[in-house]
Amino acid sequence: SQELEQSPQSLIVQEGKNLTINCTSSKTLYGLYWYKQKYGEGLIFLMMLQKGGEEKSHEKITAKLDEKKQQSSLHITASQPSHAGIYLCGADSWNNQGGKLIFGQGTELSVKP
Amino acid sequence: DTEVTQTPKHLVMGMTNKKSLKCEQHMGHRAMYWYKQKAKKPPELMFVYSYEKLSINESVPSRFSPECPNSSLLNLHLHALQPEDSALYLCASSQGTIDTQYFGPGTRLTVL
Repeated sequence: SQELEQSPQSLIVQEGKNLTINCTSSKTLYGLYWYKQKYGEGLIFLMMLQKGGEEKSHEKITAKLDEKKQQSSLHITASQPSHAGIYLCGADSWNNQGGKLIFGQGTELSVKP
Repeated sequence: DTEVTQTPKHLVMGMTNKKSLKCEQHMGHRAMYWYKQKAKKPPELMFVYSYEKLSINESVPSRFSPECPNSSLLNLHLHALQPEDSALYLCASSQGTIDTQYFGPGTRLTVL
């Protein structure tokens, strides 16, 4: 079965600093999703990547899928307290029942003012 | 509009109670999902409905009973739950089962 590994597990940065979160898959990725979650709340969709080498940006967040489609990175430029939360990568996975979304363990980001 | 709504926001129930969680979306999505999330863990898929039919059941105990009355509504009926079932229950929907899933705010369930 496919597994996603995220690193680091947690991250504390000073406001204004850049940071990167990585997501590595045990199998080829056919759809890679990035979500953000505040504790105890729902997941907010950030971006979806499908093609090797694809890069997408939204405001100060950039996500990239490598050429081999087994790793994705999420980069935040000039972090702000509003970026704090748990970042989850998710991937489409298939078994004999059909397709489903599996998640990495999450990266907890704290931004110090 | 990418809104999925869930009610109630919080629920406390005893082990002998029967309660239901409700999820609603008006985006015309044809796939809907229930996830369970424990503290400090990622969401775990419980059920998938596609075109109002149950397509995936991730070996969930029968004390959890899903229902999809129509394409906009998804319920999760709870009966005889255990304290270990306490968790955040998330609903999601997507255009199809291979499309981006949009999540609701969740229901925080506590079983006493």
